[in-house]
Amino acid sequence: DAGVTQSPTHLIKTRGQQVTLRCSPKSGHDTVSWYQQALGQGPQFIFQYYEEEERQRGNFPDRFSGHQFPNYSSELNVNALLLGDSALYLCASSLVAGGVWGDTQYFGPGTRLTVL
Amino acid sequence: GDSVTQMEGPVTLSEEAFLTINCTYTATGYPSLFWYVQYPGEGLQLLLKATKADDKGSNKGFEATYRKETTSFHLEKGSVQVSDSAVYFCALNPGRRALTFGSGTRLQVQP
Repeated sequence: DAGVTQSPTHLIKTRGQQVTLRCSPKSGHDTVSWYQQALGQGPQFIFQYYEEEERQRGNFPDRFSGHQFPNYSSELNVNALLLGDSALYLCASSLVAGGVWGDTQYFGPGTRLTVL
Repeated sequence: GDSVTQMEGPVTLSEEAFLTINCTYTATGYPSLFWYVQYPGEGLQLLLKATKADDKGSNKGFEATYRKETTSFHLEKGSVQVSDSAVYFCALNPGRRALTFGSGTRLQVQP
């Protein structure tokens, strides 16, 4: 049973650049959520995608955008990178079954982004 | 809004000691409650969950009971091992799709 996968593992960028992170959900799951985890803190919700649409968004600026593909995989894009964007970016997947949103999310290993 | 409060760490214990990590929450309605564990350099692993009042979640010797009257979901283990050293996160899902996490509690178990 394939779990949630993310790429790349690590990434180093400079201020002002743009970055794209990728996620494949757990086998059988159709919903992808993205979280930002700063060092020493709990994850903060960025947004969630289902049926290729953004369904819910946390308190993050428009520099953070995303996409979901027909195969349920997802991308997180961050434009105009700031030093404060340095963090571990976590992808989580879940399942909507019969119109009921599953409450359990399974996480990938994360992408460590460093902005210099 | 929804929030989760965890006891601050680090919690340092000797092997085979009893573990309690406190977690309290604020939420409207009846959220599902979770404990996740994060080992160094890794993502989050689901440890256990409970979906309604008085439910007990359990896994790998860890337990937590959903206490609605005290809005708590404390994590316990009867005998910790060195391999349990990690950061533990309490989280809730109020049914609005996004998880709200606590700030995490680091556990260090010494041999």
